[in-house]
Amino acid sequence: DVKVTQSSRYLVKRTGEKVFLECVQDMDHENMFWYRQDPGLGLRLIYFSYDVKMKEKGDIPEGYSVSREKKERFSLILESASTNQTSMYLCASSFAVRGHPQHFGDGTRLSIL
Amino acid sequence: AQKITQTQPGMFVQEKEAVTLDCTYDTSDPSYGLFWYKQPSSGEMIFLIYQGSYDQQNATEGRYSLNFQKARKSANLVISASQLGDSAMYFCAMREVVYGNNRLAFGKGNQVVVIP
Repeated sequence: DVKVTQSSRYLVKRTGEKVFLECVQDMDHENMFWYRQDPGLGLRLIYFSYDVKMKEKGDIPEGYSVSREKKERFSLILESASTNQTSMYLCASSFAVRGHPQHFGDGTRLSIL
Repeated sequence: AQKITQTQPGMFVQEKEAVTLDCTYDTSDPSYGLFWYKQPSSGEMIFLIYQGSYDQQNATEGRYSLNFQKARKSANLVISASQLGDSAMYFCAMREVVYGNNRLAFGKGNQVVVIP
């Protein structure tokens, strides 16, 4: 079974802090993705990566950065957390094959106070 | 422009009955794929079913089937014999290729509540 593990299920941070969200997958997937999910807005893509050290901006990259130093790990960084970044964050991974589904982690519910 | 449209309000369905969730999409790419995911209240996203644009038959996976109408650009999910555990949000997503990379565009979801 594919396992995508996010480092925290719940996280509370303060405005202005630098926040790291970690994601690890165990299936040797080439592609990894970070989404945020807000009520009524569905899932919105923040960043994705199709290879080690490669990254591409998604639809809402402002205020975020990412790091992919190893194939299995994809980190999302909030450089200076703000209250409007309070959200559910979902990590996903997939093979770079047409038709292959993305597999998701359990999500991190992040609150910025 | 929204690429995936899911407009149904929250739905209540009687246990053991079938439910159809609507999804329409917009693309000019002849090669695309459609996915459905389930998200229970616990939060994890669970992959249910996939339909490729060139697939001749509608996809089926256990109690899930896809009513794929290419000309109408719709890919409705049908859940047969609903169970209490089917209560969840359901998301339709379309694979799109952006600068040579595959990514998914998600709809806003349909809420389903199964009642005994």
